[in-house]
Amino acid sequence: QTVVTQEPSFSVSPGGTVTLTCGLSSGSVSTSYYPSWYQQTPGQAPRTLIYSTNTRSSGVPDRFSGSILGNKAALTITGAQADDESDYYCVLYMGSVVFGGGTKLTVL
Amino acid sequence: QVQLQESGPGLVKPSQTLSLTCTVSGGSISSGGYYWSWIRQHPGKGLEWIGYIYYSGSTYYNPSLKSRVTISVDTSKNQFSLKLSSVTAADTAVYYCARHIVPDNWFDPWGQGTLVTVSS
Repeated sequence: QTVVTQEPSFSVSPGGTVTLTCGLSSGSVSTSYYPSWYQQTPGQAPRTLIYSTNTRSSGVPDRFSGSILGNKAALTITGAQADDESDYYCVLYMGSVVFGGGTKLTVL
Repeated sequence: QVQLQESGPGLVKPSQTLSLTCTVSGGSISSGGYYWSWIRQHPGKGLEWIGYIYYSGSTYYNPSLKSRVTISVDTSKNQFSLKLSSVTAADTAVYYCARHIVPDNWFDPWGQGTLVTVSS
């Protein structure tokens, strides 16, 4: 069974840029997997950031962007802020919906 | 705008059936164009998609849970429901319902989630 992989943790300095990735244990991610990204803070429901690789959900600031980098989907946060400190999950569609394990982002 | 709210027992005994309902407001399930999904999150862990239903009643389930899951819809009440049979402690999780937007396969909005604990 193909697993969706994400970095378990990442850190970024305030004002810095960070790129989180979403890959496959076997194969490459393409736009046909419809990658989407969600942000979750403790005790809250996930918030949709990006869908269909690079489309921002309503109300999401443009410092969040999605792309395909090499063989992975990527979420880039430009000008990181303290309240970006969250868990980030990607989702891929492979005939079934599969979540990545999530990345815990620390801003410090 | 569309809002979703989960409801159901917060405690279920092992081997019993977990039952949850998601009430949709601000829009009609019957309007079509969307699937309606259940997603869960084990304590301190990541998210797991359980399955979806269309207003017509057609369903698709996560293969890993398929044998125990039933999702149904009640368009008259603008609700859809989850049943998970033969639960164990491993089914303890926060359960979310979400609108599942196709064909791009993303979720928005989400319900606030409800914690279901499996314990005797």
